[in-house]
Amino acid sequence: GENVEQHPSTLSVQEGDSAVIKCTYSDSASNYFPWYKQELGKRPQLIIDIRSNVGEKKDQRIAVTLNKTAKHFSLHITETQPEDSAVYFCAASKRPYGQNFVFGPGTRLSVLP
Amino acid sequence: EAGVAQSPRYKIIEKRQSVAFWCNPISGHATLYWYQQILGQGPKLLIQFQNNGVVDDSQLPKDRFSAERLKGVDSTLKIQPAKLEDSAVYLCASSQTGTESPREQYFGPGTRLTVT
Repeated sequence: GENVEQHPSTLSVQEGDSAVIKCTYSDSASNYFPWYKQELGKRPQLIIDIRSNVGEKKDQRIAVTLNKTAKHFSLHITETQPEDSAVYFCAASKRPYGQNFVFGPGTRLSVLP
Repeated sequence: EAGVAQSPRYKIIEKRQSVAFWCNPISGHATLYWYQQILGQGPKLLIQFQNNGVVDDSQLPKDRFSAERLKGVDSTLKIQPAKLEDSAVYLCASSQTGTESPREQYFGPGTRLTVT
């Protein structure tokens, strides 16, 4: 089955700096890669996603890149703010979209003022 | 629109007891997921329903866990008997059905289960 690894497990950055979180997946059939943000004690919320036919996607300060050949995808957050502090989870899913979701173990991001 | 509802929010039981969780998805969402999230880990998919049929239950410990989604709307997840390692947050999520494009999963607030 699919295996999703995520690095680093914890990340601390200064406010205004950039943060990058990387995930690798094992199943080449996976074709949808969402990123979720989970604040302490709250539910996961989708922040950005990418499909396998797209190499990069941006939404304001966040972007996701996908390298299908290497089977890895990354989340990039620029100009980090204290409210970006949370646990970020990547996930991989197969066709048809929305099946066999496998989440990574998470990255705890701390943005220091 | 109203979000995914779950109850109870918290539950404490002793090992070997049974427990049930309830989920009401967003209206019109045909796909429903149950996840187990152990502290410090990512959500682990237990079971996925499409309407009232099971799409994926490969990671559901079927000797003790069961789930149903009668009438394709609400769903219940049951654990019987519970073990200490079942202590976790149980998340329910729902989404519209995606065939040509992915659909966002909306998560409920979760049920925090403590087994003592």
